[in-house]
Amino acid sequence: GIQVEQSPPDLILQEGANSTLRCNFSDSVNNLQWFHQNPWGQLINLFYIPSGTKQNGRLSATTVATERYSLLYISSSQTTDSGVYFCAPSYSSASKIIFGSGTRLSIRP
Amino acid sequence: ETGVTQTPRHLVMGMTNKKSLKCEQHLGHNAMYWYKQSAKKPLELMFVYSLEERVENNSVPSRFSPECPNSSHLFLHLHTLQPEDSALYLCASSQDLNRVQGYTFGSGTRLTVV
Repeated sequence: GIQVEQSPPDLILQEGANSTLRCNFSDSVNNLQWFHQNPWGQLINLFYIPSGTKQNGRLSATTVATERYSLLYISSSQTTDSGVYFCAPSYSSASKIIFGSGTRLSIRP
Repeated sequence: ETGVTQTPRHLVMGMTNKKSLKCEQHLGHNAMYWYKQSAKKPLELMFVYSLEERVENNSVPSRFSPECPNSSHLFLHLHTLQPEDSALYLCASSQDLNRVQGYTFGSGTRLTVV
């Protein structure tokens, strides 16, 4: 079946640090989303990025579709960045998107 | 606000109760979804609706009954639930099933079955 692997599973950083989260997927995608789930459960879309690079403030994402991975970069981390980050590729061969198991990020003040 | 509103935010119910979760989207989307998120598990897709027609039902027990009266509203009717059904239930919508522009999620309903 279609596989989505995220790494690392957990990450603890001091405020101000930079981080890179990785998502590997097993099939060609027609879209890929990165979500941030805050401590209250809200899933917020960060990027739609089937390929290429996008930036939004301190966050940026790069997807290399031919090599089947995507990276999420967080610079100058703030405590409000804490939560779980999910990668969710969408496949034209499937009627649903597949969620990775997430990276739990904790930013310490 | 994401444009997808779920109510209630929290729900505690007994195993013999009947309750309903509501989801409303103001984005003009044609597809809506119910997901279940249990502790330490990936999000599980439960149901998919497109233009008010159910297009996917992922082996969900019959004690969960979805309803989509129109493309803006989605309900999840609950009856005779088990304690293991306690979870965060998330509603999402997308422009269509191709999801080229991705999903938008609601804030979720945190359900506790006692």
